[in-house]
Amino acid sequence: GEEVAQTPKHLVRGEGQKAKLYCAPIKGHSYVFWYQQVLKNEFKFLISFQNENVFDETGMPKERFSAKCLPNSPCSLEIQATKLEDSAVYFCASSSLGTDTQYFGPGTRLTVL
Amino acid sequence: GEDVEQSLFLSVREGDSSVINCTYTDSSSTYLYWYKQEPGAGLQLLTYIFSNMDMKQDQRLTVLLNKKDKHLSLRIADTQTGDSAIYFCAENGAGSYQLTFGKGTKLSVIP
Repeated sequence: GEEVAQTPKHLVRGEGQKAKLYCAPIKGHSYVFWYQQVLKNEFKFLISFQNENVFDETGMPKERFSAKCLPNSPCSLEIQATKLEDSAVYFCASSSLGTDTQYFGPGTRLTVL
Repeated sequence: GEDVEQSLFLSVREGDSSVINCTYTDSSSTYLYWYKQEPGAGLQLLTYIFSNMDMKQDQRLTVLLNKKDKHLSLRIADTQTGDSAIYFCAENGAGSYQLTFGKGTKLSVIP
């Protein structure tokens, strides 16, 4: 598609439950990025992919967070055993080249109760 | 690590120009970006500038880059109420494709 699509728009989970977020990059874009926006508007980089390969995972928490980009499927970000501090808006972005402009999706707002 | 700083608030009258400033520390930045975020919405790419340029103009938007001082600014001419939003400065350093964002400047336009 011509835009980055993210689903769901909102997700509510009880503490300890699993959360799974999806991202469909712009058609033809090779790179996918995940960012977390917490209160006070701070953005934190989580992970990036080049096609289905992890490119940079330096921002991913070591535990509970995982992500995949499989061929012919939306990319996904999964949080096992969610915690209150995981409440945030999770943005996906894609770019045609790694150094190219990143286009962002509308985000998924995760609320952990 | 890399850092991007912005002032948090700016208030202007409709029809005036707005200037949003940003400083960054990564001297190897290849591109610098301005994104706009309206309440409850995603990030909209407004404009970007390559690090070997010092100015870029796009309709009402003018971006100025002072690479020596690591200072970036966004000027919005004839500011309208629809320009009210949070504006984020971002950069990606050479060899690092991830974006580093400032904390955003909330622009309020007074009718």
